[in-house]
Amino acid sequence: NAGVTQTPKFRILKIGQSMTLQCTQDMNHNYMYWYRQDPGMGLKLIYYSVGAGITDKGEVPNGYNVSRSTTEDFPLRLELAAPSQTSVYFCASKGSNTGELFFGEGSRLTVL
Amino acid sequence: QQQVKQSPQSLIVQKGGIPIINCAYENTAFDYFPWYQQFPGKGPALLIAIRPDVSEKKEGRFTISFNKSAKQFSLHIMDSQPGDSATYFCAAAPGSSNTGKLIFGQGTTLQVKP
Repeated sequence: NAGVTQTPKFRILKIGQSMTLQCTQDMNHNYMYWYRQDPGMGLKLIYYSVGAGITDKGEVPNGYNVSRSTTEDFPLRLELAAPSQTSVYFCASKGSNTGELFFGEGSRLTVL
Repeated sequence: QQQVKQSPQSLIVQKGGIPIINCAYENTAFDYFPWYQQFPGKGPALLIAIRPDVSEKKEGRFTISFNKSAKQFSLHIMDSQPGDSATYFCAAAPGSSNTGKLIFGQGTTLQVKP
């Protein structure tokens, strides 16, 4: 089983550029999440989705957008990249009857 | 009120020692308290979790102790091994809506020396 797959693993952006981080899961999970991880700060929730067509903001949504057109995919869009968005981004998914989040391996983004 | 405070930030123990990581929360609506383990270059993975109706839960060498009145919970690793060297995150989920919106602590980097 692939689980949660994120692409790309690494990316360098220039200030003002835009990009999309891809996330797909093959576990038929309804719930999906995007977190960012910064040193000493833990993981902060950016956006989440409780099912196809439904998304909502987390703790730190500014500068990001998401969509959820299918159960499997939950892409994260960065518009007008800023140095403050330099981080490691994790996508996760969860089934309906469990509290366990399954994480991807992360996407390391650097904005210069 | 949505914060989960974790300490220490880093911890070094000898093989066989018992590292203890502590977390504190303020929101009494939290009702699910998991611990995640993260190895370098990997995503976090669930290690063990507890709900507030019990004071302790053991899974192998890992134990969660939960103090509802103090709003604190901790992770103990018995007979620690070099393979336990990783970053550990506590977390809490607010309410019982089952949305899984975890609030994470700041993380503790554990090094177990051979």
